[in-house]
Parts: sequence; C-alpha cells; structure tokens
Amino acid sequence: NAGVTQTPKFQVLKTGQSMTLQCAQDMNHEYMSWYRQDPGMGLRLIHYSVGAGITDQGEVPNGYNVSRSTTEDFPLRLLSAAPSQTSVYFCASRTRGLLGETQYFGPGTRLLVL
Amino acid sequence: AQSVTQPDIHITVSEGASLELRCNYSYGATPYLFWYAQSPGQGLQLLLKYFSGDTLVQGIKGFEAEFKRSQSSFNLRKPSVHWSDAAEYFCAVVPEGSGAGSYQLTFGKGTKLSVIP
Repeated sequence: NAGVTQTPKFQVLKTGQSMTLQCAQDMNHEYMSWYRQDPGMGLRLIHYSVGAGITDQGEVPNGYNVSRSTTEDFPLRLLSAAPSQTSVYFCASRTRGLLGETQYFGPGTRLLVL
Repeated sequence: AQSVTQPDIHITVSEGASLELRCNYSYGATPYLFWYAQSPGQGLQLLLKYFSGDTLVQGIKGFEAEFKRSQSSFNLRKPSVHWSDAAEYFCAVVPEGSGAGSYQLTFGKGTKLSVIP
C-alpha cells in the first residue's frame, strides 16, 4: 500500500491563480480530511469527508472547495489564491467505523502564494 | 471554549536524557487523546493514543504518556532520548461523545524538540 499520497510536493502561485491539491489513499478509508499547518498554529481542519459524495466544513474552510467523487480521492481546490493561504497542507484518512481509529497523514504540500 | 495547550514551544535536551512534553486540555469530560510526531519535511506519525482504562499508555519508539484527569493533562515521556527523536510533537484530542463516523481531531500548537549530541 502507498498509504496517503499528495501532489504536488511544492507549488508557487501568484495571487488570484487557482489550483488543485491532489490527495489519494489506497486503504479504502471512508473518512478523509484536509488540514493546513502554519508556524505556531498547529494543524487546523479545512474540510473533511465521511464518504464519497459527502463533504463538510472544518475550522477554516473559507477560500477552499472540496469534492469526493470516489473513495480514493479527495482534492482540495483553491479558486483564487491569496497570500494568507501560504501554508503546508496535509491530507489524512482513516476508517470510519471505530472512534479513535488511527488517522494516516500524507507527506504534505508546501504552497507559497506571492 | 474547548482547547488543547502545549505550553512549551521549543525544548532542547541532550541525547540520553529523559524527556517530558506537556499537554493540557480544557474539555468537560474525558476526551480521547493522541500524540503525533512530525519529523522535518514529513507528515505526522501517531505515537500513541488513550481512550480509557490504564492511564499509562505505551507507544512506539519507547514513548509513553500518562493521562491525569485531575490535572487535565496527557504528558508524553521518554526515558532516554535519541538524536532521531528530534521532531515537532503534537497533542490532539477528540471530545468524548463525538460520533464515531465524523469525529474531529483538535491539535495543540506543537512542541519542537531539539536533541544535542
């Protein structure tokens, strides 16, 4: 199993540009989520999904869109990038069944918005 | 408001010394508690978790943590630190009563550990 994969590893955008951060998992996990990590802020939840076709907002959803058309993929879209979205983005997945099941994290995408 | 506090932003220890990283939470009931480690440029790795039962939890890589209800704490410990333990450590909680399907992790702001050879 590859686990949770994220592409790209690093991206530079100009303000106003759009892009999609890709996330995929091969563990058949129902639950997937996106976090952003900023210095001194820990990880904050952006959006999450409890299964294909179902998404919901987390703590900091503004400026981001998600969709979940398959169990494996959970892309994060920035429609109009802003410098405040400069961050490291982590995708995570876990099974839905048991409370506290281990959440697996991808390696992260570093995004710089100029 | 519910929160997770890691009071120490940065800790430096010598290799072979013992380690304790602090975590406090402000939830009314007993939450589910986790510790993650993040090596530079890497994702997060689960070290251990606590749900109920024995308040001393053993994890991977020789880490352990103790849940103390009276102090609302879940401190991470290791008796002898190795240079490879240098990383950022995050405490995370899930409030008790959260739905199994959609529970959310709330993370502390992290403690960076430096290890002196």
